[in-house]
Amino acid sequence: AQTVTQSQPEMSVQEAETVTLSCTYDTSESDYYLFWYKQPPSRQMILVIRQEAYKQQNATENRFSVNFQKAAKSFSLKISDSQLGDAAMYFCAYKTGQGAQKLVFGQGTRLTINP
Amino acid sequence: NAGVTQTPKFRVLKTGQSMTLLCAQDMNHEYMYWYRQDPGMGLRLIHYSVGEGTTAKGEVPDGYNVSRLKKQNFLLGLESAAPSQTSVYFCASRVARPSYNEQFFGPGTRLTVL
Repeated sequence: AQTVTQSQPEMSVQEAETVTLSCTYDTSESDYYLFWYKQPPSRQMILVIRQEAYKQQNATENRFSVNFQKAAKSFSLKISDSQLGDAAMYFCAYKTGQGAQKLVFGQGTRLTINP
Repeated sequence: NAGVTQTPKFRVLKTGQSMTLLCAQDMNHEYMYWYRQDPGMGLRLIHYSVGEGTTAKGEVPDGYNVSRLKKQNFLLGLESAAPSQTSVYFCASRVARPSYNEQFFGPGTRLTVL
């Protein structure tokens, strides 16, 4: 079974600085997808960024980018120019490319932005 | 589009009571999922459905039942609630293809079992 591990329960960063959230996963599959979801205090799960395993290029979405190291099974999220609105729980998630394509989530990292 | 909606948003039950959580989506998605979120444990899959009339067990199915009689609705039932089922419940849906599409989540239901 696939597992996702986020080893940082909490992180903090100064506003406008850069922060990196870590995620590792375990799988024997070759076809899969990785996601970062943001959960603000409203509880709504919001997709931040996604990465297809077959793509070597790291995904970027504005201030958000990933460092995808397939051999090391590592998928970290970098947030540049941190803003107060970035404060939230961040979840790393794995999805197989086959079958019902269920998501497996990590435990989450709580990110605090210091003004 | 309302997206994914969940009813109710909050509920308090006594041990042994039953209830049904309703999830509705208006995006014509084939797949639907129920998760629970507990502190420090992320989201865990309870049950899922790949189409109308089909359901399957996820990671933590014990104590729950589900039904998908209509494509747009996915019901989660607790027949005899236990304090261990105190949690936040999320419903999600997605299209079957392409594979890179994400799941869309509802706003969650906070359930407390006394």
